[in-house]
Amino acid sequence: ELKVEQNPLFLSMQEGKNYTIYCNYSTTSDRLYWYRQDPGKSLESLFVLLSNGAVKQEGRLMASLDTKARLSTLHITAAVHDLSATYFCAVDFTFNNDMRFGAGTRLTVKP
Amino acid sequence: DSGVTQTPKHLITATGQRVTLRCSPRSGDLSVYWYQQSLDQGLQFLIQYYNGEERAKGNILERFSAQQFPDLHSELNLSSLELGDSALYFCASSALADSYNEQFFGPGTRLTVL
Repeated sequence: ELKVEQNPLFLSMQEGKNYTIYCNYSTTSDRLYWYRQDPGKSLESLFVLLSNGAVKQEGRLMASLDTKARLSTLHITAAVHDLSATYFCAVDFTFNNDMRFGAGTRLTVKP
Repeated sequence: DSGVTQTPKHLITATGQRVTLRCSPRSGDLSVYWYQQSLDQGLQFLIQYYNGEERAKGNILERFSAQQFPDLHSELNLSSLELGDSALYFCASSALADSYNEQFFGPGTRLTVL
């Protein structure tokens, strides 16, 4: 069965702290995406990870992909309030072109 | 603003009815994707079209169908609507056929089935 699991589902952080969101998936894929969604808004693409060992950084966010472990991480460094949003990972399962999303991590950054 | 437009923004209809959602991709993008977001089922990929042809299929019900026209806009048709079809429907576009490309999402159409 094609599964994508994100954890934690809810994350409350203090400003200035670091934390990591995890995305595990059930079967072979070499394409993983991270999206951000603000309340009542659409999705914004953050990262496209296309190979084992891929690492991408944008501002306070860094994403990595380990295809052997079937794991991606989204690391938040020195969180600020503006990062409060829901973050989704999505996996493109190569063998059938199906894309599955994680349940999302609702991040709240408190002053 | 992603450059992807969707109409209508909101749609309220009754069970058993049929509706059409419309999406215009970013200028130059050939791929269009449709997604459904609901509280029950989260975000689900429905279907992808590339340059008029169906490219990939996800969790799309038989009551739903889509097409992409020669001008590259796309329509998602939902028929025999049920209460559970109430959701946000997003379309996204990308430049090429495969999902190695970044997708740009439209603002969504909120469908309410009463």
